[in-house]
Amino acid sequence: DQQVKQNSPSLSVQEGRISILNCDYTNSMFDYFLWYKKYPAEGPTFLISISSIKDKNEDGRFTVFLNKSAKHLSLHIVPSQPGDSAVYFCAAVLRGNRDDKIIFGKGTRLHILP
Amino acid sequence: ETGVTQSPTHLIKTRGQQVTLRCSSQSGHNTVSWYQQALGQGPQFIFQYYREEENGRGNFPPRFSGLQFPNYSSELNVNALELDDSALYLCASSLGGLAGISYEQYFGPGTRLTVT
Repeated sequence: DQQVKQNSPSLSVQEGRISILNCDYTNSMFDYFLWYKKYPAEGPTFLISISSIKDKNEDGRFTVFLNKSAKHLSLHIVPSQPGDSAVYFCAAVLRGNRDDKIIFGKGTRLHILP
Repeated sequence: ETGVTQSPTHLIKTRGQQVTLRCSSQSGHNTVSWYQQALGQGPQFIFQYYREEENGRGNFPPRFSGLQFPNYSSELNVNALELDDSALYLCASSLGGLAGISYEQYFGPGTRLTVT
């Protein structure tokens, strides 16, 4: 039972254009969402996060949008650059009293084309 | 400021054996989380330690156990290894406090475990 789904295994975008990576979730109790980026042979790197009480968070070229009614979030990268080519993971956090859980999607591989 | 380091980088073990993986957290971080990443999958949460106590656990059997030390470094122990335990094991550190654990985590490069 996959609670966090990234349905596109890969995405190709022209350099300079907008990249949009999508993520769907099933558990309405998730209260925090994050995006991580991963290069080969390295651990994931934190990119941007959003609390469930917000619908948008922006940091430079990266913007995350959260649609709670649709249980959907997306990461927008504008403009896309060659260094953005990587695997992007969406993650969701379920906070407990003493028992936090974090669930990752399977990732989307982004290719930025010259 | 030192980043998250993991050792060893690669390891080959035989089914039924035991393994210990190690992680040094980023300077100033008091929380460590461990993940298993199989090929083509996202990281799967194993457990998390905050100030030397387990603070959360994913769907992993008890043969996966951990420790966090007073300097906030951590170990992941896996007993009775199975072939399906072959994966990349990632450690991530972050800062926790009264407001809760931060999930803006810093990941290490991982330990690649192969069970034959």
